[in-house]
Order: sequence, then C-alpha cells, then structure tokens
Amino acid sequence: AQSVSQHNHHVILSEAASLELGCNYSYGGTVNLFWYVQYPGQHLQLLLKYFSGDPLVKGIKGFEAEFIKSKFSFNLRKPSVQWSDTAEYFCAVNAGNTGGFKTIFGAGTRLFVKA
Amino acid sequence: GAGVSQSPSNKVTEKGKDVELRCDPISGHTALYWYRQSLGQGLEFLIYFQGNSAPDKSGLPSDRFSAERTGGSVSTLTIQRTQQEDSAVYLCASSPQGRYNYGYTFGSGTRLTVV
Repeated sequence: AQSVSQHNHHVILSEAASLELGCNYSYGGTVNLFWYVQYPGQHLQLLLKYFSGDPLVKGIKGFEAEFIKSKFSFNLRKPSVQWSDTAEYFCAVNAGNTGGFKTIFGAGTRLFVKA
Repeated sequence: GAGVSQSPSNKVTEKGKDVELRCDPISGHTALYWYRQSLGQGLEFLIYFQGNSAPDKSGLPSDRFSAERTGGSVSTLTIQRTQQEDSAVYLCASSPQGRYNYGYTFGSGTRLTVV
C-alpha cells in the first residue's frame, strides 16, 4: 500500500530563511507527486505537481520541488520564505495509472514564518 | 460552479443521530473524492467517484458511512448513528480526470462535531 511520510510536523523560520520540507513515499511504480498548501482559514490548494520529465518542478509563489526517484523523495523548497508563507503543507502521491485513482496524503507540516 | 461547494460548513450533532454532507463539484469534473481530516492527522481517503459509480470505497471506516452521487454531479456523504470519533473536517475534491490525476480542487469542508 502507498504511504507518504513528512518528516517535520512543525517548522518555525524567520523571514528570508531558506525552506526545505521533506517528503518520502513508499511505492515502487510510476507515481504522480503533489504538494498542496492550506493557508489559515482557506481551503487546500495545489502548489505544484510532478508527472514526468524534469524532476525539478517549479510551482507558484517561488516554490519548487525535486523528485529523486532513487530516494523515493519529493522535497519542497523555497530559497527565501515570507511571512505570508505561514500555512500547512501536504505532500501527496498518486500511484500513476495502476494504483487506483485515489491520492494519499502525508500528515502535513505546519510552517510558521516569523516577521 | 466556479469552485467546489460543500454544505453545511459546520454541523453539530448529537451522538447517535444521522448526518448528511453535501458536495457540489466543479461543473464537468467527472471525478469526485471524499476525504476526512482529523485534528493533527493528514487527509484520510474515504471514497472516490467516477461519474456516478464508486470504483473505490476502500476508505469508508465502517458500514455507518455511505455515499452516493447522482447525475454525475452532486454527492452526499451520509453518516448513520454518529459517534464522537466521527468528529472531523470532511473534505470534498473534484478533478477533470480520474485516471491521470491532474490534481484536485478542494472545497472548504464541513466541520462535523459529534457531542
């Protein structure tokens, strides 16, 4: 069965610090990978996604993620965070075209950025 | 509609009562998903619809939970004889394709509290 592990439950950073949120998944086949974000009081929204091709994926608001197949990882990065990045971030995996059509989510990482 | 609409936004019910949660997906989205988000937990998959059929019901926690979708559009999630452990935010999402996942559009959720 697929699973997604996010290493940090809570992260606190100062503005302008660099961000890296870890995500590992367990599934040996083709995967589609996602990061979703939930800002305070708002609904979940898609931040970026990977299907194939360049393993370095650019998303909205300066976020990027790198798919490393050998490590089963899809870490989220941002070079310089802003106070407005305070939110909860969810990594998610969908097992390509053979693993059923549901997406499995990690437990989430709450990011707090100090102004 | 412009987004995924869920109602009610909040529901407080007494233990043992039945509740119905409604989801109105984006027009034309054939795939519809129900998830549950409990405090401190990730998103727990409940059920997936492709059109009116539910190829994957594997996440429904017990036979007290059921869901249907009519006309390939609106879906209702019914919880019978609610228990306190059913308290959570119930999220609905839709996507234009079920097989190749382009990412989900989520609704704002229904916060269910069982007292």
